[in-house]
Amino acid sequence: ETGVTQSPTHLIKTRGQQVTLRCSSQSGHNTVSWYQQALGQGPQFIFQYYREEENGRGNFPPRFSGLQFPNYSSELNVNALELDDSALYLCASSLERTGYTFGSGTRLTVV
Amino acid sequence: DAKTTQPPSMDCAEGRAANLPCNHSTISGNEYVYWYRQIHSQGPQYIIHGLKNNETNEMASLIITEDRKSSTLILPHATLRDTAVYYCIVRVADQTGANNLFFGTGTRLTVIP
Repeated sequence: ETGVTQSPTHLIKTRGQQVTLRCSSQSGHNTVSWYQQALGQGPQFIFQYYREEENGRGNFPPRFSGLQFPNYSSELNVNALELDDSALYLCASSLERTGYTFGSGTRLTVV
Repeated sequence: DAKTTQPPSMDCAEGRAANLPCNHSTISGNEYVYWYRQIHSQGPQYIIHGLKNNETNEMASLIITEDRKSSTLILPHATLRDTAVYYCIVRVADQTGANNLFFGTGTRLTVIP
């Protein structure tokens, strides 16, 4: 079985720009969660999608949005990038919101 | 917010057992304790989880106190590859039914040769 894959692995953007990060869930998993991990901190929950619907959200502003597709792959979109958005963005998939498998993340740098 | 307390760092000699403590004094009866670890620049890796009974798998053992207010993750024979940040997480379900993982800052375990 394949694991969770994220793309790209690294990305540099300019403040004010928009970015889209992608995640392919583990085969058979119908739930995807996104996390932001700042340097030296634990991952912080952004939101979760279950069967293509947003199913929970952490303390992040609306400029953080997402999508889950019928094949259960997912996107994280961030508009109006700020310097503090620089972080490792992690995607985790699960089956019926149980055990989570994480990808290796996308390292976003905003300059 | 995370509902667990862990020491920020620990050292363990290679080949010895590593015992990582976690306090979760406000845990509810239907909340599980999960342990994940994160090796530098990688995504978190699931280790083990439990509700109230002690659990063991090929990676580790989880000891949960009878009152469920604390637990200990045991790596029986630590190797250099076990050097990582270990997160103890109480799994919560919010009003929408989503089961989210709330990470704290974890314990940085360093295995010493």
